[in-house]
Amino acid sequence: SAVISQKPSRDICQRGTSLTIQCQVDSQVTMMFWYRQQPGQSLTLIATANQGSEATYESGFVIDKFPISRPNLTFSTLTVSNMSPEDSSIYLCSVGGRGINTGELFFGEGSRLTVL
Amino acid sequence: SQQGEEDPQALSIQEGENATMNCSYKTSINNLQWYRQNSGRGLVHLILIRSNEREKHSGRLRVTLDTSKKSSSLLITASRAADTASYFCATDAGSYQKVTFGTGTKLQVIP
Repeated sequence: SAVISQKPSRDICQRGTSLTIQCQVDSQVTMMFWYRQQPGQSLTLIATANQGSEATYESGFVIDKFPISRPNLTFSTLTVSNMSPEDSSIYLCSVGGRGINTGELFFGEGSRLTVL
Repeated sequence: SQQGEEDPQALSIQEGENATMNCSYKTSINNLQWYRQNSGRGLVHLILIRSNEREKHSGRLRVTLDTSKKSSSLLITASRAADTASYFCATDAGSYQKVTFGTGTKLQVIP
């Protein structure tokens, strides 16, 4: 298993500002994933953060809006840029499991952003 | 579009009863997983079932998978108030780390 720490756990932000969310893992992992969960909705993958290369974004998400850093194998950041109320969501960092349970994901506690 | 659709969207039961949630998906999968989310917090992995498996147990959890019907069910036996949460199914179709989450079932267990 993996222990994932995310911060901030929650924040209230003003329209037009940007916020950076940090994700720290207690072990080295190749891929880290950023998800968005809009209120009352399911999870949508934003991007895969790869160490040493640019993040891979899913359809509908762009680097200018959600820049991602991955400076080493245990840390990543997601920035939500130029926020609007539509960006109010829970943002979740996750990593894949190792061993026999391929496909299993471990999640941080999430960062709940409210944009006014 | 979402790979998994869950049914029911919401479920309210008395403590001690069993809870059954269903998940349907659209395309072939390698694995199907179930996750729990407590009140907008992070997700916790519950169980993974592979496409060549039909049933799996873990404690009070029982998962079935019918690939011919592209459906899965999660049974929680002898429910407890602490089981109150949202439950999501998730599928992956060949990519090791990319999973697609379903719409979720919100379970309320009344003490």
